[in-house]
Amino acid sequence: AQSVTQLDSQVPVFEEAPVELRCNYSSSVSVYLFWYVQYPNQGLQLLLKYLSGSTLVKGINGFEAEFNKSQTSFHLRKPSVHISDTAEYFCAVSERGNNNDMRFGAGTRLTVKP
Amino acid sequence: GAVVSQHPSWVICKSGTSVKIECRSLDFQATTMFWYRQFPKQSLMLMATSNEGSKATYEQGVEKDKFLINHASLTLSTLTVTSAHPEDSSFYICSARDFSEAFFGQGTRLTVV
Repeated sequence: AQSVTQLDSQVPVFEEAPVELRCNYSSSVSVYLFWYVQYPNQGLQLLLKYLSGSTLVKGINGFEAEFNKSQTSFHLRKPSVHISDTAEYFCAVSERGNNNDMRFGAGTRLTVKP
Repeated sequence: GAVVSQHPSWVICKSGTSVKIECRSLDFQATTMFWYRQFPKQSLMLMATSNEGSKATYEQGVEKDKFLINHASLTLSTLTVTSAHPEDSSFYICSARDFSEAFFGQGTRLTVV
């Protein structure tokens, strides 16, 4: 089965600074990769996804991620963060194909300070 | 994009009672839905896979008699927490896949007192 490791449980950063949230995955088959954001007591909002094609994926709110097959990584980046980016971020993986379940990393708490 | 609606968004119940949570796909048909559980400051843990017209598939360690799942139609799956206890208090989230993408409900905050 596939699994996800998010290497940083908490990432504090100052406003307008760049940020990278790290994600590594493990799977014996081809996968889809996702990043979600969660605000307190809410569901998940999709930031971006990698299905195939270009390894650099651009998402909403200025976020992007790069799929690196050799390193089995899918790190999330933003060149300049805002206070409003403070939230919990989850990396997720699912096997290719429809109706497969999704497995989540432990999450990274991004805190943007003024 | 596709929408998944989950109801209720929060519920408080007495210990020993049962609680039903509904998950609906509003503009697409979902033969498969997923139920997750999230404890405070933790990740989402897959509890079970709900299959329309057949029995749900439970993850190891999840009690199928306690967490009853019914997926009677292509747009509705329900999770019933039976004989709830305080340790069942958690945030429950459902999800439905529409081809390659997963859509999530708003979540249900269950508090058992």
